[in-house]
Amino acid sequence: GAVVSQHPSWVICKSGTSVKIECRSLDFQATTMFWYRQFPKQSLMLMATSNEGSKATYEQGVEKDKFLINHASLTLSTLTVTSAHPEDSSFYICSAAAEKLFFGSGTQLSVL
Amino acid sequence: GQNIDQPTEMTATEGAIVQINCTYQTSGFNGLFWYQQHAGEAPTFLSYNVLDGLEEKGRFSSFLSRSKGYSYLLLKELQMKDSASYLCAVRPGGYQKVTFGTGTKLQVIP
Repeated sequence: GAVVSQHPSWVICKSGTSVKIECRSLDFQATTMFWYRQFPKQSLMLMATSNEGSKATYEQGVEKDKFLINHASLTLSTLTVTSAHPEDSSFYICSAAAEKLFFGSGTQLSVL
Repeated sequence: GQNIDQPTEMTATEGAIVQINCTYQTSGFNGLFWYQQHAGEAPTFLSYNVLDGLEEKGRFSSFLSRSKGYSYLLLKELQMKDSASYLCAVRPGGYQKVTFGTGTKLQVIP
């Protein structure tokens, strides 16, 4: 099946710094990718839809200036958490849309 | 809007059968997914239903009734490794965003 590569798997950073997470579709072209966030014991919450070559579409309540999404090619989307704070600590997962939804392995972000 | 409901937790015995239900109310429908997620890991794909009926894949089966807005995931011959969260997700149309239910945490006991 299709493979989506996401890295880093985990990252620890200081409050106020920025963190970039990459999501790559390895064997197919993904015009649309999705970024989800998951807090402990909760389900996946969609943050934004990333479209190749255009601006991302953010869900209500998600700050677009804080969570910067870039989808510069058909195989790569990046999420940058700017000026991270402890409340941003979460599990971030990307997915690429084809007939099914293929997930990356996730990134555990811990902000100290 | 989209609304997807599934039980929060379930417990079942090793070797038994368990059925996890999912009901949905969405603005459109172009497929229902079931995913398995172990703690700290990304979800893994289990099944995809777009037409009514039962889809069987080994120990796992998934059923869909579009008229009732209802699906279930059936797990047979339960194993301890099946202890995980099971996520029901609906795609309203095309390659549009998929909305996830809150997930059902299944605990398999000896």
